[in-house]
Amino acid sequence: GQQVMQIPQYQHVQEGEDFTTYCNSSTTLSNIQWYKQRPGGHPVFLIQLVKSGEVKKQKRLTFQFGEAKKNSSLHITATQTTDVGTYFCATDSNYQLIWGAGTKLIIKP
Amino acid sequence: EADIYQTPRYLVIGTGKKITLECSQTMGHDKMYWYQQDPGMELHLIHYSYGVNSTEKGDLSSESTVSRIRTEHFPLTLESARPSHTSQYLCASSEIGQAWRGYTFGSGTRLTVV
Repeated sequence: GQQVMQIPQYQHVQEGEDFTTYCNSSTTLSNIQWYKQRPGGHPVFLIQLVKSGEVKKQKRLTFQFGEAKKNSSLHITATQTTDVGTYFCATDSNYQLIWGAGTKLIIKP
Repeated sequence: EADIYQTPRYLVIGTGKKITLECSQTMGHDKMYWYQQDPGMELHLIHYSYGVNSTEKGDLSSESTVSRIRTEHFPLTLESARPSHTSQYLCASSEIGQAWRGYTFGSGTRLTVV
């Protein structure tokens, strides 16, 4: 079945540094969704991308969907403590979401 | 306010007990889901439903059952709890034809089986 590989598993950054997580698939994706889960919380939907080469921004967050629709990225500029959590990508397949394993953003003290 | 509610928030229970985790949503969504997740780890789909009287098993066999008698209600039952069932259980819902809105998740039930 369809799978999405998400890397890295963890990323440690100093506050103010940038953060990027990547999702990759061997097959073409119909769409890609991104979620954020704060420590101890539940996933919260951020955005959906559907078009080849699509780029969307939400304040300091930039979401991209690859030209071949086989990869996607989430980039956070100048991280803040409020960005801490795990970021998941997911894609629709057979009317269910297929989830990436998540990337944990950790702010170094 | 439209939302999705899970109870209890925390549950500690002995091995062999039967438990039901409750999930209700007020958004009128047709699709509902149960996920199992260890803290900060991957989400594993246990069961899902496309509407009333529709239930399907997900990828994770967790020896549980679900029912969907009303649109808004999707309870999960563990017939005989085991320590391996210790985890967080997340309920979610979505609307058919509105994938662009994503899934809405409840706050979860943290289950500990002793």
